[in-house]
Amino acid sequence: LAKTTQPISMDSYEGQEVNITCSHNNIATNDYITWYQQFPSQGPRFIIQGYKTKVTNEVASLFIPADRKSSTLSLPRVSLSDTAVYYCLVGDLSGGSYIPTFGRGTSLIVHP
Amino acid sequence: DAGVIQSPRHEVTEMGQEVTLRCKPISGHDYLFWYRQTMMRGLELLIYFNNNVPIDDSGMPEDRFSAKMPNASFSTLKIQPSEPRDSAVYFCASSPLSTGVVWNTEAFFGQGTRLTVV
Repeated sequence: LAKTTQPISMDSYEGQEVNITCSHNNIATNDYITWYQQFPSQGPRFIIQGYKTKVTNEVASLFIPADRKSSTLSLPRVSLSDTAVYYCLVGDLSGGSYIPTFGRGTSLIVHP
Repeated sequence: DAGVIQSPRHEVTEMGQEVTLRCKPISGHDYLFWYRQTMMRGLELLIYFNNNVPIDDSGMPEDRFSAKMPNASFSTLKIQPSEPRDSAVYFCASSPLSTGVVWNTEAFFGQGTRLTVV
């Protein structure tokens, strides 16, 4: 059973806000939510992590509702360079280790 | 720190040959991961180490694959003999241990090794 479900692809235009939603209906109490970004020919890069409510950093915001069964990655005013694959991960940190396990991700294409 | 360093960046080899991929993790990181990425299967976790000890190798496809971490600054992934279906991009990543003070889910990835087996 997949831990996360997210759209296969999305299209947007420069300057728009992009919201990518991920479903994780079976999230466990100790699970954290993490998002990674991957450009072609590069390894994935960490964007943001959260447990509940809202988290914001210099790159993105992460919105997590109270039931934590979904999360939304928000990219403000995207540019062409934000074209990439975005992965949503959930995993348990209670043992001190976090093992990133990736799904298929969402391929975001930003158009001029 | 220069980040996670993988070598070679590209490798082309003939079927049946032995292939060795190398990884230097970020200094001080406790965990090292090996991943394989293909269009068909996406990004798969092959094996990971904690403090140089292999913890879970359930993702290793078969006995032709082996991984070692002789010390904290070096790991290898070996395929012997290689087959065309092993063609993929192989990534190495490392991450620090999370503590009760800092909960960390960030893994740092290398640039990958693109392996082509002909």
